[in-house]
Amino acid sequence: DGGITQSPKYLFRKEGQNVTLSCEQNLNHDAMYWYRQDPGQGLRLIYYSQIVNDFQKGDIAEGYSVSREKKESFPLTVTSAQKNPTAFYLCASTRGSGNTIYFGEGSWLTVV
Amino acid sequence: GIQVEQSPPDLILQEGANSTLRCNFSDSVNNLQWFHQNPWGQLINLFYIPSGTKQNGRLSATTVATERYSLLYISSSQTTDSGVYFCAVESRDDKIIFGKGTRLHILP
Repeated sequence: DGGITQSPKYLFRKEGQNVTLSCEQNLNHDAMYWYRQDPGQGLRLIYYSQIVNDFQKGDIAEGYSVSREKKESFPLTVTSAQKNPTAFYLCASTRGSGNTIYFGEGSWLTVV
Repeated sequence: GIQVEQSPPDLILQEGANSTLRCNFSDSVNNLQWFHQNPWGQLINLFYIPSGTKQNGRLSATTVATERYSLLYISSSQTTDSGVYFCAVESRDDKIIFGKGTRLHILP
């Protein structure tokens, strides 16, 4: 089935460690996005990418990094510089501007 | 950047009631979508509606792009309609920005 796969679904890490969340899509979509959601809150944009080897900062990029070496993959690294990393992270993709956006099932990150 | 405001923030209704959720946005947009987030966090596409009106069963949506707002109508509410409803817009610089959502509680 076509879709967006995020892994792992649940992740626990110690404070000060970097962690990478995986996002893979087989929809042949050009654009990919990462969002953060805190309990009871909306989605905030971290990074987005319209094409391979190019990406832009969203509204809350500090403490995060991404890469887009392949069209189907857009991994997100939560670095030790992120002050409050515990959150629900959602990856999304679209065919491009003006098209429907689709989401993965999300990854729950808990930092202790 | 573009601002997206949803109202009301919370809504409690009895099963069978109708509801209207609103999304206002501060600038011209390429796209607008409505989502329902279930209790497990999954985001379900409801409507892709940059302009005009669409209907899908008990749900319908209208976007008036010239006046920068969209409405989501839910008729004959069921308990399974409970959850959070988000509006998301695509700005001219390709960012997709979400509102803070409307939390809907349908009581049996």
